[in-house]
Amino acid sequence: AQSVTQLGSHVSVSEGALVLLRCNYSSSVPPYLFWYVQYPNQGLQLLLKYTSAATLVKGINGFEAEFKKSETSFHLTKPSAHMSDAAEYFCAVSDLGTGRRALTFGSGTRLQVQP
Amino acid sequence: NAGVTQTPKFRVLKTGQSMTLLCAQDMNHEYMYWYRQDPGMGLRLIHYSVGEGTTAKGEVPDGYNVSRLKKQNFLLGLESAAPSQTSVYFCASGRGVDTDTQYFGPGTRLTVL
Repeated sequence: AQSVTQLGSHVSVSEGALVLLRCNYSSSVPPYLFWYVQYPNQGLQLLLKYTSAATLVKGINGFEAEFKKSETSFHLTKPSAHMSDAAEYFCAVSDLGTGRRALTFGSGTRLQVQP
Repeated sequence: NAGVTQTPKFRVLKTGQSMTLLCAQDMNHEYMYWYRQDPGMGLRLIHYSVGEGTTAKGEVPDGYNVSRLKKQNFLLGLESAAPSQTSVYFCASGRGVDTDTQYFGPGTRLTVL
């Protein structure tokens, strides 16, 4: 079974600072990994996904993530935070081999951006 | 193209009452899902469907039932609501490919008193 762990339920950065949100995965097979963002009172929107093509994945709004097999990590980064990045971020892994094609989510990280 | 829509957006129930949440998608997706979101727990899969007329249990199915009579609709029912079912419910749909994106609705915030 696949699982993901997000370290840090809350992260606070200053506007213009580097954003780093951590995600580690556990999987017995090569995983497919996703980052979703949830703005207040909205549904989830895909930021980016890793599907084994390239280890550095670029997404929307200037975010990117690097798949590191040796560290079982898929951390999300953005060089310079904007106020509009304040949201909750979820790392997820695809349920491979179950037939459900569902996602298993981490517990989420709430990002605050201070002016 | 509306994507995934959910009704209602908000609902307050008393313990023991019943209700149905409706999810509709216009992307001709085969797979549909119901998740619940609780603080500090991410999203957890309640039930899912791999096509019209099929349903199956997810991780937390107790107290819920579902139906997929039409390909575009996926209904989630609570027969006798309990306070433990206070949550935000999200519907999602996808083509059923492991590498594919799931598309989420805006959510239904349910409070059970």
